[in-house]
Amino acid sequence: EPEVTQTPSHQVTQMGQEVILRCVPISNHLYFYWYRQILGQKVEFLVSFYNNEISEKSEIFDDQFSVERPDGSNFTLKIRSTKLEDSAMYFCASSVSRATGELFFGEGSRLTVL
Amino acid sequence: ILNVEQSPQSLHVQEGDSTNFTCSFPSSNFYALHWYRWETAKSPEALFVMTLNGDEKKKGRISATLNTKEGYSYLYIKGSQPEDSATYLCALNAGNNRKLIWGLGTSLAVNP
Repeated sequence: EPEVTQTPSHQVTQMGQEVILRCVPISNHLYFYWYRQILGQKVEFLVSFYNNEISEKSEIFDDQFSVERPDGSNFTLKIRSTKLEDSAMYFCASSVSRATGELFFGEGSRLTVL
Repeated sequence: ILNVEQSPQSLHVQEGDSTNFTCSFPSSNFYALHWYRWETAKSPEALFVMTLNGDEKKKGRISATLNTKEGYSYLYIKGSQPEDSATYLCALNAGNNRKLIWGLGTSLAVNP
């Protein structure tokens, strides 16, 4: 069964360093998302991506963050100059349609910023 | 600010018990309501996407109902099994922009 894959599963980094989280969405899906969950808090939407551009982003997704789909399969989230409060589980998701398509999630990348 | 509430926050039941939990959302902003099941150390898995008032969906022993006029959805599990232990999340799609607003989830533990 097709699945969304994410790497790395866990990354530890020093404050101020840049981090790239990678995702391979399901191949026939057109919409891609990044979510995060800080321990004990709600799942938070970061950004949605369609047709090679951001379709929506939350207030969390400031200039520190960027996304791209460099090669038609990978979907990456870059966090520049990480802060302690960026420590969270980051989930990539994809869906086949915009309307009411269910999201298929990857298993997440745990980011720990020291 | 739209808010999605889930209750109870956690639930412990015995194997074989039937259980239900609630997702509440603002009835004035509704496009679709999603239910996801999230087991520890796994990724969230979609259960249902519901769009119509009065909708009822079923997957095995799990079913869900939707009332968009009063702003709630119930998730039912009939004859709970230990493998049902997970966090059940609901998420509101308040418009055709695909941004989901998530509840905090109900954590279910089923004791054998």
